[in-house]
Amino acid sequence: EVQLVETGGGLIQPGGSLRLSCAASGFTVSSNYMSWVRQAPGKGLEWVSVIYSGGSTYYADSVKGRFTISRDNSKNTLYLQMNSLRAEDTAVYYCARAIDRIGLDYWGQGTLVTVSS
Amino acid sequence: DIQMTQSPSSLSASVGDRVTITCRASQGISNSLAWYQQKPGKAPKLLLYAASRLESGVPSRFSGSGSGTDYTLTISSLQPEDFATYYCQQYYSTLWTFGQGTKVEIK
Repeated sequence: EVQLVETGGGLIQPGGSLRLSCAASGFTVSSNYMSWVRQAPGKGLEWVSVIYSGGSTYYADSVKGRFTISRDNSKNTLYLQMNSLRAEDTAVYYCARAIDRIGLDYWGQGTLVTVSS
Repeated sequence: DIQMTQSPSSLSASVGDRVTITCRASQGISNSLAWYQQKPGKAPKLLLYAASRLESGVPSRFSGSGSGTDYTLTISSLQPEDFATYYCQQYYSTLWTFGQGTKVEIK
């Protein structure tokens, strides 16, 4: 059974850093595209980043240069390193498996990041 | 970046109604479009991909169509469990984008 479990969210001050983790089971992270999607309170979905199976990475303009997506193949885990956090980064962050030419077929339960002083 | 514009942003409908949601891309996306359903407090669920292909396990009352820049999601006969927010998403470019969502509410 495919499962994704995000951890690492919490309250962080503006300008701070946080690393989110997404532990996967039932499939191999390194063999798939993996993505982060966020949702601000009461708002819609916003795509954040993707890492391809080959290792290429892409970011939304809103986070480029501040966020870094990566994976640890030995732990079958996806990460999102978030630096220089802003109030507008406050959101529930979901990790999801992406299938080429299909979309995001499995999602985690999400982890809440709150950026506030 | 490719912008995705959904309409309407919300609608009210009754059980049994036919519902259509539209998604327009700012440029052609060659059917590289997925639709998701999200219920409050839950993660989104993939409904359709490649504009018209039904994800496994999704009821056949959901269907998708379109080409180029214009796409639609249709629910042929709305059921109580279908009241939710629906999002389109393009994966044509390397920078993916979602529509702003359409909330389907009970009339």
